[in-house]
Amino acid sequence: KAGVTQTPRYLIKTRGQQVTLSCSPISGHRSVSWYQQTPGQGLQFLFEYFSETQRNKGNFPGRFSGRQFSNSRSEMNVSTLELGDSALYLCASSLVGFQETQYFGPGTRLLVL
Amino acid sequence: DAKTTQPPSMDCAEGRAANLPCNHSTISGNEYVYWYRQIHSQGPQYIIHGLKNNETNEMASLIITEDRKSSTLILPHATLRDTAVYYCIPIFSGGSNYKLTFGKGTLLTVNP
Repeated sequence: KAGVTQTPRYLIKTRGQQVTLSCSPISGHRSVSWYQQTPGQGLQFLFEYFSETQRNKGNFPGRFSGRQFSNSRSEMNVSTLELGDSALYLCASSLVGFQETQYFGPGTRLLVL
Repeated sequence: DAKTTQPPSMDCAEGRAANLPCNHSTISGNEYVYWYRQIHSQGPQYIIHGLKNNETNEMASLIITEDRKSSTLILPHATLRDTAVYYCIPIFSGGSNYKLTFGKGTLLTVNP
Protein backbone atom coordinates (compact mmCIF):
# COMPACT_ATOMS: atom_id res chain seq x y z
CA LYS A 1 0.00 0.00 0.00
CA ALA A 2 1.43 3.39 -0.94
CA GLY A 3 2.32 5.68 1.95
CA VAL A 4 1.40 9.30 2.57
CA THR A 5 2.75 11.57 -0.13
CA GLN A 6 3.35 15.29 0.05
CA THR A 7 4.07 17.72 -2.72
CA PRO A 8 6.16 19.65 -3.31
CA ARG A 9 9.03 18.40 -1.16
CA TYR A 10 10.86 21.73 -1.18
CA LEU A 11 9.65 25.24 -1.75
CA ILE A 12 11.17 28.70 -1.65
CA LYS A 13 8.92 31.74 -1.37
CA THR A 14 9.30 35.39 -0.46
CA ARG A 15 7.57 37.34 2.25
CA GLY A 16 4.01 38.33 1.41
CA GLN A 17 3.44 35.52 -1.05
CA GLN A 18 1.08 32.65 -0.46
CA VAL A 19 1.71 28.94 -0.74
CA THR A 20 -0.36 25.78 -1.14
CA LEU A 21 0.89 22.40 0.01
CA SER A 22 -0.69 19.09 -0.90
CA CYS A 23 -1.07 15.82 0.98
CA SER A 24 -2.36 12.51 -0.38
CA PRO A 25 -3.27 10.11 2.43
CA ILE A 26 -3.03 6.35 2.43
CA SER A 27 -5.89 4.84 0.46
CA GLY A 28 -8.95 4.41 2.68
CA HIS A 29 -7.79 6.88 5.31
CA ARG A 30 -10.29 9.65 5.98
CA SER A 31 -8.47 11.67 8.63
CA VAL A 32 -5.68 14.01 7.57
CA SER A 33 -3.84 16.25 10.00
CA TRP A 34 -1.17 18.88 9.45
CA TYR A 35 1.82 19.88 11.58
CA GLN A 36 4.45 22.56 11.50
CA GLN A 37 7.94 21.73 12.72
CA THR A 38 10.54 24.36 13.50
CA PRO A 39 13.77 24.06 15.51
CA GLY A 40 12.46 26.43 18.15
CA GLN A 41 8.88 25.23 18.61
CA GLY A 42 9.14 21.57 17.68
CA LEU A 43 6.19 19.74 16.17
CA GLN A 44 3.00 21.76 16.44
CA PHE A 45 -0.48 20.69 15.43
CA LEU A 46 -2.15 22.88 12.81
CA PHE A 47 -5.50 21.23 12.04
CA GLU A 48 -7.22 17.97 11.26
CA TYR A 49 -9.73 17.18 8.55
CA PHE A 50 -12.14 14.29 8.45
CA SER A 51 -14.62 13.65 5.65
CA GLU A 52 -14.04 17.13 4.17
CA THR A 53 -14.69 18.90 7.50
CA GLN A 54 -12.20 20.57 9.77
CA ARG A 55 -12.59 18.73 13.04
CA ASN A 56 -9.75 20.08 15.18
CA LYS A 57 -7.63 23.19 15.04
CA GLY A 58 -4.39 24.24 16.70
CA ASN A 59 -3.33 27.70 17.80
CA PHE A 60 -2.26 29.23 14.51
CA PRO A 61 -3.38 32.51 12.93
CA GLY A 62 -6.04 32.62 10.26
CA ARG A 63 -3.36 32.89 7.58
CA PHE A 64 -3.11 29.13 7.88
CA SER A 65 -6.02 27.33 6.31
CA GLY A 66 -6.77 23.99 4.79
CA ARG A 67 -9.33 21.88 3.06
CA GLN A 68 -10.01 18.29 2.26
CA PHE A 69 -11.49 16.89 -0.91
CA SER A 70 -13.94 14.05 -1.37
CA ASN A 71 -11.07 11.66 -2.16
CA SER A 72 -9.51 12.61 1.24
CA ARG A 73 -6.61 14.47 -0.35
CA SER A 74 -5.88 17.62 1.59
CA GLU A 75 -4.33 20.98 0.88
CA MET A 76 -2.90 23.50 3.26
CA ASN A 77 -2.61 27.17 2.38
CA VAL A 78 -0.55 29.88 4.03
CA SER A 79 -1.24 33.43 2.94
CA THR A 80 0.92 36.51 3.41
CA LEU A 81 4.00 34.50 4.23
CA GLU A 82 6.30 35.63 7.01
CA LEU A 83 9.91 34.68 7.63
CA GLY A 84 8.79 32.69 10.68
CA ASP A 85 6.71 30.42 8.50
CA SER A 86 9.89 28.73 7.31
CA ALA A 87 9.46 25.19 8.54
CA LEU A 88 8.95 21.55 7.72
CA TYR A 89 5.23 20.96 7.15
CA LEU A 90 4.11 17.42 7.80
CA CYS A 91 0.84 15.74 7.17
CA ALA A 92 -0.39 12.51 8.68
CA SER A 93 -3.29 10.24 7.85
CA SER A 94 -5.28 7.61 9.68
CA LEU A 95 -8.50 5.72 9.17
CA VAL A 96 -10.65 7.78 11.51
CA GLY A 97 -8.55 9.95 13.82
CA PHE A 98 -6.02 10.48 16.59
CA GLN A 99 -7.01 7.43 18.57
CA GLU A 100 -5.31 5.40 15.88
CA THR A 101 -1.81 5.12 14.51
CA GLN A 102 -0.88 8.16 12.49
CA TYR A 103 1.09 7.65 9.27
CA PHE A 104 3.24 10.62 8.41
CA GLY A 105 4.41 11.82 5.05
CA PRO A 106 7.99 12.96 4.33
CA GLY A 107 7.05 16.62 4.69
CA THR A 108 7.40 19.78 2.64
CA ARG A 109 10.27 22.03 3.57
CA LEU A 110 9.29 25.67 3.07
CA LEU A 111 11.83 28.46 3.09
CA VAL A 112 10.55 32.03 3.19
CA LEU A 113 13.04 34.70 2.16
CA ASP B 1 -4.26 16.41 28.45
CA ALA B 2 -1.60 14.44 30.27
CA LYS B 3 1.85 16.00 30.36
CA THR B 4 4.98 13.97 29.72
CA THR B 5 8.58 14.25 30.85
CA GLN B 6 11.39 12.64 28.87
CA PRO B 7 15.15 13.06 29.18
CA PRO B 8 16.36 15.38 26.41
CA SER B 9 19.07 12.98 25.23
CA MET B 10 20.48 9.50 25.72
CA ASP B 11 23.32 7.49 24.28
CA CYS B 12 23.42 3.79 23.56
CA ALA B 13 26.07 1.46 22.15
CA GLU B 14 25.20 -0.37 18.97
CA GLY B 15 23.88 -3.87 19.67
CA ARG B 16 22.89 -3.04 23.23
CA ALA B 17 19.38 -2.46 24.52
CA ALA B 18 18.14 1.12 24.59
CA ASN B 19 15.73 1.91 27.41
CA LEU B 20 13.89 5.19 26.97
CA PRO B 21 11.85 6.39 29.97
CA CYS B 22 8.76 8.58 29.97
CA ASN B 23 6.96 10.04 32.94
CA HIS B 24 3.23 10.64 32.47
CA SER B 25 2.00 10.93 36.04
CA THR B 26 -1.19 12.81 35.08
CA ILE B 27 -2.35 10.27 32.52
CA SER B 28 -6.03 9.40 32.73
CA GLY B 29 -7.49 5.92 32.68
CA ASN B 30 -8.63 6.13 29.07
CA GLU B 31 -5.41 7.51 27.60
CA TYR B 32 -3.13 5.17 25.73
CA VAL B 33 0.63 5.70 25.73
CA TYR B 34 1.91 6.01 22.17
CA TRP B 35 5.52 6.11 21.08
CA TYR B 36 6.68 7.67 17.82
CA ARG B 37 10.15 8.42 16.56
CA GLN B 38 11.51 10.89 14.06
CA ILE B 39 14.70 10.26 12.20
CA HIS B 40 16.36 13.50 11.18
CA SER B 41 14.28 15.51 8.68
CA GLN B 42 11.81 12.68 8.08
CA GLY B 43 8.19 12.35 9.16
CA PRO B 44 7.53 10.72 12.54
CA GLN B 45 7.08 6.96 12.54
CA TYR B 46 4.77 4.97 14.80
CA ILE B 47 6.55 2.48 17.06
CA ILE B 48 4.15 0.98 19.59
CA HIS B 49 1.33 1.82 21.98
CA GLY B 50 -0.30 0.38 25.09
CA LEU B 51 -2.91 1.03 27.74
CA LYS B 52 -1.84 -0.88 30.82
CA ASN B 53 -0.33 -4.17 29.73
CA ASN B 54 3.17 -4.55 28.41
CA GLU B 55 3.33 -4.72 24.64
CA THR B 56 5.84 -6.05 22.14
CA ASN B 57 6.08 -5.84 18.38
CA GLU B 58 8.79 -6.30 15.81
CA MET B 59 10.29 -2.91 16.56
CA ALA B 60 10.20 -2.57 20.33
CA SER B 61 8.76 -3.46 23.71
CA LEU B 62 6.70 -1.15 25.90
CA ILE B 63 6.69 -1.54 29.66
CA ILE B 64 4.01 0.42 31.54
CA THR B 65 4.15 0.60 35.32
CA GLU B 66 1.20 -0.75 37.25
CA ASP B 67 0.11 2.74 38.33
CA ARG B 68 0.49 3.90 34.69
CA LYS B 69 2.47 6.95 35.76
CA SER B 70 5.49 6.03 33.68
CA SER B 71 6.58 3.80 30.85
CA THR B 72 9.76 2.58 29.19
CA LEU B 73 10.34 1.94 25.52
CA ILE B 74 12.89 -0.79 24.92
CA LEU B 75 14.77 -1.24 21.66
CA PRO B 76 16.33 -4.66 22.31
CA HIS B 77 19.31 -4.43 19.96
CA ALA B 78 19.87 -0.84 18.94
CA THR B 79 21.40 -0.12 15.54
CA LEU B 80 22.81 3.08 14.08
CA ARG B 81 19.52 3.49 12.18
CA ASP B 82 17.70 3.81 15.49
CA THR B 83 19.31 7.20 16.07
CA ALA B 84 16.27 9.49 16.24
CA VAL B 85 14.10 11.64 18.47
CA TYR B 86 11.64 9.47 20.40
CA TYR B 87 8.30 10.91 21.51
CA CYS B 88 6.06 9.53 24.22
CA ILE B 89 2.46 10.76 23.76
CA PRO B 90 -0.66 10.00 25.80
CA ILE B 91 -3.65 9.77 23.48
CA PHE B 92 -7.29 9.65 24.50
CA SER B 93 -8.87 6.45 23.28
CA GLY B 94 -12.33 7.77 22.63
CA GLY B 95 -13.88 10.76 20.91
CA SER B 96 -12.66 12.74 17.95
CA ASN B 97 -12.08 16.14 19.53
CA TYR B 98 -8.40 15.73 20.21
CA LYS B 99 -5.08 17.31 19.33
CA LEU B 100 -1.96 15.25 18.99
CA THR B 101 0.66 17.01 21.11
CA PHE B 102 4.34 16.24 20.62
CA GLY B 103 6.67 17.27 23.41
CA LYS B 104 10.41 17.72 23.06
CA GLY B 105 11.11 13.99 23.05
CA THR B 106 14.41 12.20 23.69
CA LEU B 107 17.23 12.30 21.18
CA LEU B 108 18.67 8.79 21.18
CA THR B 109 22.13 8.54 19.69
CA VAL B 110 23.34 5.03 18.94
CA ASN B 111 27.12 4.91 18.82
CA PRO B 112 29.22 2.32 16.94
